[in-house]
Amino acid sequence: QQQVKQSPQSLIVQKGGISIINCAYENTAFDYFPWYQQFPGKGPALLIAIRPDVSEKKEGRFTISFNKSAKQFSLHIMDSQPGDSATYFCAAPRGDSNYQLIWGAGTKLIIKP
Amino acid sequence: NAGVTQTPKFRVLKTGQSMTLLCAQDMNHEYMYWYRQDPGMGLRLIHYSVGEGTTAKGEVPDGYNVSRLKKQNFLLGLESAAPSQTSVYFCASCPQRPVIDEQFFGPGTRLTVL
Repeated sequence: QQQVKQSPQSLIVQKGGISIINCAYENTAFDYFPWYQQFPGKGPALLIAIRPDVSEKKEGRFTISFNKSAKQFSLHIMDSQPGDSATYFCAAPRGDSNYQLIWGAGTKLIIKP
Repeated sequence: NAGVTQTPKFRVLKTGQSMTLLCAQDMNHEYMYWYRQDPGMGLRLIHYSVGEGTTAKGEVPDGYNVSRLKKQNFLLGLESAAPSQTSVYFCASCPQRPVIDEQFFGPGTRLTVL
């Protein structure tokens, strides 16, 4: 069964530090790799996504790095802030589907003031 | 726009009871999904729909049924609830595109089965 492996399961970072979360995926027909952010009691919301005709995408303090040969992608949060404390999920397209995602298990990120 | 809404927000059931969760979206999206979220397991797809009148099974469909009689609504039914169905349920919708795009999530329904 296709999987997306996300690590670490939890992460504590000091305010101002760099938070890094990693995901590894299996074969997909489409190159679309999103990260979702979820606050307690809320639904997940898209944070940033990459369609890798490039190896990196940056939006403000958030960057996705993509390594196609290794089938891995990662989320970097620069200058991490307490407001970034949330659970983060990576996802990848399921097989040859152009409308289904398979999800990582999530990373609970805590930013210490 | 309200986006994706879910009813109810919380529910407690006894084993064997039935219930229906309602999802509504006002974005005219073709695709709709029901997920369950359990600690340490991410989001698992229960059922999905690619258009009005169509439904299909996801990863964990057993014990659930769905219907999409109207484009804007996607209903998830539990015919005979079991404690293993205690979870947080999320509905999502997505516009139809040539390639996969952003899924928009509702606020979730927290279900406890005693």
